Amino acid sequence: DIEMTQSPSSLSASVGDRVSMTCRASQSISTYLNWFQQKPGKAPKLLIFAASSLQSGVPSRFSGSGSGTDFTLTISSLQPEDFATYYCQQSVITPYTFGRGTNLEI
Amino acid sequence: QVLLQQSGPGLVKPSQTLALTCAISGDTVSSNGASWNWIRQSPSRGFEWLAKTYYRSKWYYEYADSVKGRTTINPDTSKNQFSLQVNSVSPEDAAVYYCVRLVGDGWLDHWGQGILVTVSS
Repeated sequence: DIEMTQSPSSLSASVGDRVSMTCRASQSISTYLNWFQQKPGKAPKLLIFAASSLQSGVPSRFSGSGSGTDFTLTISSLQPEDFATYYCQQSVITPYTFGRGTNLEI
Repeated sequence: QVLLQQSGPGLVKPSQTLALTCAISGDTVSSNGASWNWIRQSPSRGFEWLAKTYYRSKWYYEYADSVKGRTTINPDTSKNQFSLQVNSVSPEDAAVYYCVRLVGDGWLDHWGQGILVTVSS
């Protein structure tokens, strides 16, 4: 199985900050990488698919980059509603696997 | 708008069978552009993909090795839904279970609301 490693596991920031978090795959996955946001008690929400494509309805302050094994999610100017946990997921092959998340805290 | 509505018991006894259903609106279970998945989330294991089914002139099924042999995913075209059955459950199967649509090259774009399943006698 492809292992997905996210860092940092937690991140403290303030409204208006620019933040980045990373995801590393244990083998090359090209751009078969997706990012999700999850808030407590809710289902995950797809933010970015295919490493850098913004899902419909997601604010443009979210962006993704990377290919191969290293990927980054960036939020350009944090808003209060952005404090949540972020997960990466590979979709190149089943079993689809997820990272353990980055918890973005105020 | 695609909506996935999950149903099923939140409490299952050890060694018994977990059965969940996901009703689809806004798409069809036999859509050529989608696959239908079950994923669970627990504090100890994180997210774990379990199974998927899709129709491409015939039905296909895939299962995670961790649950293969005791798990069945089943589409129901008459009700436009799909189900998950996990046999011989143990406490390790306790988790929040989600049904999820996958489109394109693996984008999990619509999720059900999730059902917390507890395994206890």
